[in-house]
Amino acid sequence: DAKTTQPPSMDCAEGRAANLPCNHSTISGNEYVYWYRQIHSQGPQYIIHGLKNNETNEMASLIITEDRKSSTLILPHATLRDTAVYYCIVRTTVVGGGTSYGKLTFGQGTILTVHP
Amino acid sequence: SAVISQKPSRDICQRGTSLTIQCQVDSQVTMMFWYRQQPGQSLTLIATANQGSEATYESGFVIDKFPISRPNLTFSTLTVSNMSPEDSSIYLCSVAGTASFSYEQYFGPGTRLTVT
Repeated sequence: DAKTTQPPSMDCAEGRAANLPCNHSTISGNEYVYWYRQIHSQGPQYIIHGLKNNETNEMASLIITEDRKSSTLILPHATLRDTAVYYCIVRTTVVGGGTSYGKLTFGQGTILTVHP
Repeated sequence: SAVISQKPSRDICQRGTSLTIQCQVDSQVTMMFWYRQQPGQSLTLIATANQGSEATYESGFVIDKFPISRPNLTFSTLTVSNMSPEDSSIYLCSVAGTASFSYEQYFGPGTRLTVT
């Protein structure tokens, strides 16, 4: 089961910042928070990930609370092309097949609609 | 990032037949994953394919129904066997684990399967 809770939908005006919240109260100390988005009929697109420090890249910023129980993805200047389903995922570590690897379990995500 | 291609991009198949989906990556990767996305739903992990070992299947998925091959570090196949209409989904290949993106996981464009 997914370890995250997100609002099912959000709206944002074009040009404004979109702030997408995510709760992950059962996250463990070594588990990363990942954000992906999926535009209709395409494969999920990696956005950003973080452990405990805030992170920023060319697409977005990730703010993680000090207790790591929640985070917020910020799209600083939303455009119409940012309309998508946004998934917040806690990556768990699995040991199997002679190795350990990260496993992404997708929840239902947040449908972000950016309007003119 | 990695460039991932899948073949076919879409197909319409008759029940009782099998379809093999190919996933090709432009660089060597440690882990390859296969996901299913049923209509209107989120992504569900089918199995993890580590080169040189047997695939690890998630609960609810079995090798007889979804055999997977991983012959080298850039290629994998997923077969959907003895198909029924309930297998109509988008099947997505995903990769992780290289020197350049050890913490990131990327997704292919998906294969849209319709079973009639």
